[in-house]
Amino acid sequence: AQKVTQAQTEISVVEKEDVTLDCVYETRDTTYYLFWYKQPPSGELVFLIRRNSFDEQNEISGRYSWNFQKSTSSFNFTITASQVVDSAVYFCALSETNTGNQFYFGTGTSLTVIP
Amino acid sequence: KAGVTQTPRYLIKTRGQQVTLSCSPISGHRSVSWYQQTPGQGLQFLFEYFSETQRNKGNFPGRFSGRQFSNSRSEMNVSTLELGDSALYLCASSPDPTDTQYFGPGTRLTVL
Repeated sequence: AQKVTQAQTEISVVEKEDVTLDCVYETRDTTYYLFWYKQPPSGELVFLIRRNSFDEQNEISGRYSWNFQKSTSSFNFTITASQVVDSAVYFCALSETNTGNQFYFGTGTSLTVIP
Repeated sequence: KAGVTQTPRYLIKTRGQQVTLSCSPISGHRSVSWYQQTPGQGLQFLFEYFSETQRNKGNFPGRFSGRQFSNSRSEMNVSTLELGDSALYLCASSPDPTDTQYFGPGTRLTVL
């Protein structure tokens, strides 16, 4: 079974629209970490955020915000007022302490922002 | 600080050959992980090294191997290359295994 599910394979939005990328995870561990990475066309994964399982506070960083809900095992990512430079593949990842902190990545969501 | 560097960036090999990829982590980072990325399988974990010891290994055949040196630099080796080994190989480093992983630009391997 997939530990991290990103059900949205591809999303297209028009510039300045808001968009939410979904991430659902599965773990029995009580201590774990969740991440979002961005992979632009150049190929390099860029770290965006890290959250530990004890910190359910939502986070906002500029146009980016993250909603972590343990009750639904979700860690969703919202981009407000999207821009063309946001076009990339976005990956959600899970790291569990009981598996030696091995990273499990979702299959990614390809976001295209149309000017 | 310089980021994670990977060499070479591009590589073309033929079936049956072997290849060695290199990764230099961010200064001070002792944990290095390797991933294979393909359009069909996505990002798949290969292995992780910390202080020269392999801590975790993904579900890949024995043709895939790696090692880490005392300066934390890491290499991965693929022997007897198959067409299906064509992929982007990504290296990531972190201060320790529980920390955020920072990725390099990858090595794009093409097997003909």
